[in-house]
Amino acid sequence: QSILTQPPSVSGTPGQTVTISCSGDRSNIGDHSVHWYRQVPGTAPKAVIYLDTQRPSGVPDRLSGSKSGTSASLTISGLQSEDEADYFCATWDGGLSGWVFGGGTTLTV
Amino acid sequence: QVQLQESGPGQLKPSETLALTCHISGAFISSSYWTWVRQSPGKGLEWIGSVFSSGSLSYNPSFQPRVTFLIDIPKNQITLTLVSMTLGDSAVYYCARDSGPSGLTDWGQGVQVTVSS
Repeated sequence: QSILTQPPSVSGTPGQTVTISCSGDRSNIGDHSVHWYRQVPGTAPKAVIYLDTQRPSGVPDRLSGSKSGTSASLTISGLQSEDEADYFCATWDGGLSGWVFGGGTTLTV
Repeated sequence: QVQLQESGPGQLKPSETLALTCHISGAFISSSYWTWVRQSPGKGLEWIGSVFSSGSLSYNPSFQPRVTFLIDIPKNQITLTLVSMTLGDSAVYYCARDSGPSGLTDWGQGVQVTVSS
């Protein structure tokens, strides 16, 4: 069972907006930056959001991140078929002194 | 551009020892932090441990005392050793560049490890 809680799946139609949530506690999300990764099955994860809200170069501004308290969210607007993938959140946990991850959310467009 | 390449055996028997190597190119191993993560359908993503630029090591207590990292600076690679493998250790093992507060910024392609009798 993953330390961070994500919904197993979300879905939307092209053009719609979807939000993926990530819930933790004070020792992880409450005290450290959240990062989001996109993973196509069979390939390596790739960062889409870091430091809660920052987009790496090449990531479209349709993707945005936010954080409040012990929860974070990834929002994808103007859904496109190529957005279909698994998305997971990650952050540092001060109690573990290591990385913790969400269970991943499968986005279906 | 930093590139990471994991290599090692794809199949092991229970009780055997896993040795995986992460070769790093595009950056000196001593210039950054490096982290091992594994991913399995049943357990999701799990942090195995991290190597810091100072050379210090940090392991997930869930993997101790079975896990060891060995840093080879001349070869610019890190070897992960996990002893007493069980069926539950079957997973895809990744190494990643750990940029601290900025997250795990670069990942290797991963290596599938299957434990089966």
